[in-house]
Amino acid sequence: DGGITQSPKYLFRKEGQNVTLSCEQNLNHDAMYWYRQDPGQGLRLIYYSQIVNDFQKGDIAEGYSVSREKKESFPLTVTSAQKNPTAFYLCASSVAGTGAAGANVLTFGAGSRLTVL
Amino acid sequence: QQPVQSPQAVILREGEDAVINCSSSKALYSVHWYRQKHGEAPVFLMILLKGGEQKGHEKISASFNEKKQQSSLYLTASQLSYSGTYFCGTAPQGGSEKLVFGKGTKLTVNP
Repeated sequence: DGGITQSPKYLFRKEGQNVTLSCEQNLNHDAMYWYRQDPGQGLRLIYYSQIVNDFQKGDIAEGYSVSREKKESFPLTVTSAQKNPTAFYLCASSVAGTGAAGANVLTFGAGSRLTVL
Repeated sequence: QQPVQSPQAVILREGEDAVINCSSSKALYSVHWYRQKHGEAPVFLMILLKGGEQKGHEKISASFNEKKQQSSLYLTASQLSYSGTYFCGTAPQGGSEKLVFGKGTKLTVNP
């Protein structure tokens, strides 16, 4: 079955450490996204990528970095510069990344929960 | 700009109806609705692209008033499986920008 795989599901990190969250999709989708979810805050966009080797900052990109070397993969690195990284992170993808992006339905992964100790 | 959802939370008994609203300060190209159960990924419900369009999904339907920059999600004869947090995502006119999600409405359906 096609879908999005995020790993790890749970991750603990000490302050000052970088961590990388994995996101892989086999839906042949062009666009991929990273959202952060905090209680009562909804989903906030961190980064998105419409094609391979290209990505754009979302609303809360500070302290995060991404890469898009392959169509199916969009890993997110939470750096030590991120002041409050404890959150639930969701990866999503959609069919097309350009043109009428507002019409593109998102498919989400199951999420990764990061806790900073 | 994040759309505003109301109410923040609602508690129903099985079989009752509910309405969830989503308002934006910007002219909208589309409105998406997603439902998320606790600890799970959000799941797509429906997308509305035209002013005044109404769509349905089981006993869940939605409307989109382009002029008022508002969308409403209607849940009729609610079932226990409807429990979860509902998010609207909006894309502004121009159609080329990413979705911005509201803070969500937590719906609880009790027996």
